[in-house]
This record gives sequence, C-alpha cells and structure tokens, in this order.
Amino acid sequence: DTGVSQDPRHKITKRGQNVTFRCDPISEHNRLYWYRQTLGQGPEFLTYFQNEAQLEKSRLLSDRFSAERPKGSFSTLEIQRTEQGDSAMYLCASSLWGPIRTQYFGPGTRLLVL
Amino acid sequence: AQTVTQSQPEMSVQEAETVTLSCTYDTSESDYYLFWYKQPPSRQMILVIRQEAYKQQNATENRFSVNFQKAAKSFSLKISDSQLGDAAMYFCAYRTGTASKLTFGTGTRLQVTL
Repeated sequence: DTGVSQDPRHKITKRGQNVTFRCDPISEHNRLYWYRQTLGQGPEFLTYFQNEAQLEKSRLLSDRFSAERPKGSFSTLEIQRTEQGDSAMYLCASSLWGPIRTQYFGPGTRLLVL
Repeated sequence: AQTVTQSQPEMSVQEAETVTLSCTYDTSESDYYLFWYKQPPSRQMILVIRQEAYKQQNATENRFSVNFQKAAKSFSLKISDSQLGDAAMYFCAYRTGTASKLTFGTGTRLQVTL
C-alpha cells in the first residue's frame, strides 16, 4: 500500500516566481487536504477536496494560491508571485470519506523563497 | 473558534521511562475527534492515536495511551517504555464531527535520552 507522496520535496525559488507542487494521495482516498507548516508551528489548514470538488478554502489561501484536483486523483498547489512569507513546509494529506476520516500525511514540500 | 493548546514546548524522558504530553482544547461542540500525530525530524507526520469524543474509554495503541477528560477538555498522551525512536515533535489535533480540517497545537518536542 503506497502512502501519500509529494513532489518536489524541496524547492528554492526567487521572490516573484511561480511554483507548483504535486500531491498523490493514497489510491482509494477520495479526500485530499493541503496544509502549511511554518517553523515551530503546527500545520495550518489551507484547503481540501472531495474527489475533484474543492469544498473548503481557508482565509490563509490568498488570491496568489490556487489548488486543483482535476480528475479526483492527484492535486496541484500553485503559488504565483511568491513572497518570502510563503517560505514554509506544504503538507498534503488524504483520507477516506466517513465519520472518522483519519488523515494520512505525505512527507511535505519545503519551499524557500529568496 | 476551536483552539488546541500544548503548553510544553519541550519534554525529555529517559529510555524505558514513561512520559506524559499535555493537550487542552476549547470547543462548544459535542461531536468531535482528537488525534496525536508524531513528526520525526525531517520525516513525515504519522498518526499515533485517535480518540472519538463519544467514547468514554481511553484509546490505547501498544505503548501509547491517552487520558481523555471531556469535561476538563484535556487530552494527554502517555508514552510507556520510551524508546529512542520516540524522539520527535508530537502534535495534538482536533476536528469536529462535521468539519474536515484538523486544528493543530504548536507541538511538543520530545527528547529521549539514554
């Protein structure tokens, strides 16, 4: 059973550039979540999908952020015109639908904006 | 708004000893779930244990157990027979029964010494 995978694991970019991250959930999971974790803090929720539908977005998800899950499988998170404050670990998680729906996390993508 | 508080930024335990990590939460909901996640250095977050609020019995997973005090809104994690591999950041997390997002505390860094 393959876990949640994320690509790339590390990304260094210059301020103002666009970046895109990919997440592949556990194959039978129909829910997919994005979180952001800054140093010394717990993860903060950004958005989640059920199948291909984006059902909730956090206020943290500014207009420069966009997430997609076009076929209900993998998801991408794009950040446009990156800022130094975007430097963080971006975590993806997936779950089944159901009352418990425990979330299983990927290894994360660490973004550094110079 | 729901909040999760972990008041111990760092804890230390000797190998084979027992340690308890504290977590309190604030909610007006009656249906919710509580989780402890472990995040080893540079490795992905994994689920340690889960507690459903409607269950009176404290959850147990091998050497890990919780003390769930619903009235006090307290959810502590006890690690028995601590091992070197238990060294990690431990995050307490909360989710309401209807929501999908997890709300995390700021974490407790656990050191295990010989």
